[in-house]
Amino acid sequence: QKEVEQDPGPLSVPEGAIVSLNCTYSNSAFQYFMWYRQYSRKGPELLMYTYSSGNKEDGRFTAQVDKSSKYISLFIRDSQPSDSATYLCAMKRNAGNMLTFGGGTRLMVKP
Amino acid sequence: DTAVSQTPKYLVTQMGNDKSIKCEQNLGHDTMYWYKQDSKKFLKIMFSYNNKELIINETVPNRFSPKSPDKAHLNLHINSLELGDSAVYFCASSLGTAEAFFGQGTRLTVV
Repeated sequence: QKEVEQDPGPLSVPEGAIVSLNCTYSNSAFQYFMWYRQYSRKGPELLMYTYSSGNKEDGRFTAQVDKSSKYISLFIRDSQPSDSATYLCAMKRNAGNMLTFGGGTRLMVKP
Repeated sequence: DTAVSQTPKYLVTQMGNDKSIKCEQNLGHDTMYWYKQDSKKFLKIMFSYNNKELIINETVPNRFSPKSPDKAHLNLHINSLELGDSAVYFCASSLGTAEAFFGQGTRLTVV
């Protein structure tokens, strides 16, 4: 079993829909949680970065962390075709540690 | 003014060859990383390196070796390339507890 699990999708939604992307993890030592977006043949780019539990909002994006359930989510409001990409959750134990990634969820937003 | 740059972008080579991928960051970060992304888009850490410590993922074959001439560079050298080494290799960097920034990737194909 992988340390971080993520449904690979693809997830197909109409433009304007609210998108919910999720990851579960098994290592309770993870403290820092991130969401990256990766377009085809590009490097991952950071969307959201949170420490410990709670919510964080940035524009149309909201990240939630529930450490008691070992579950993190990314919500995208008013989804746009330009949001079509693979979304990767990532986490690490402390400042110097390397990231452990989920396998990514491919999202398609249709006009 | 690319933050994390890798060269080459594409690399096609024969089995048994030795090759290097270069990475440079101009962000003043203190830690650099190499990740491997396989055909299923799963990103896995290979190395983490700062001016004090090299951390190696124990699953990485010793044919792979990072070389850092200075804090802004972390090159990846691969000996005796095998077909299974075909993947996209990403360099990344970070500062302290902050998020990691990724390069655009090097697509390695071993034939």
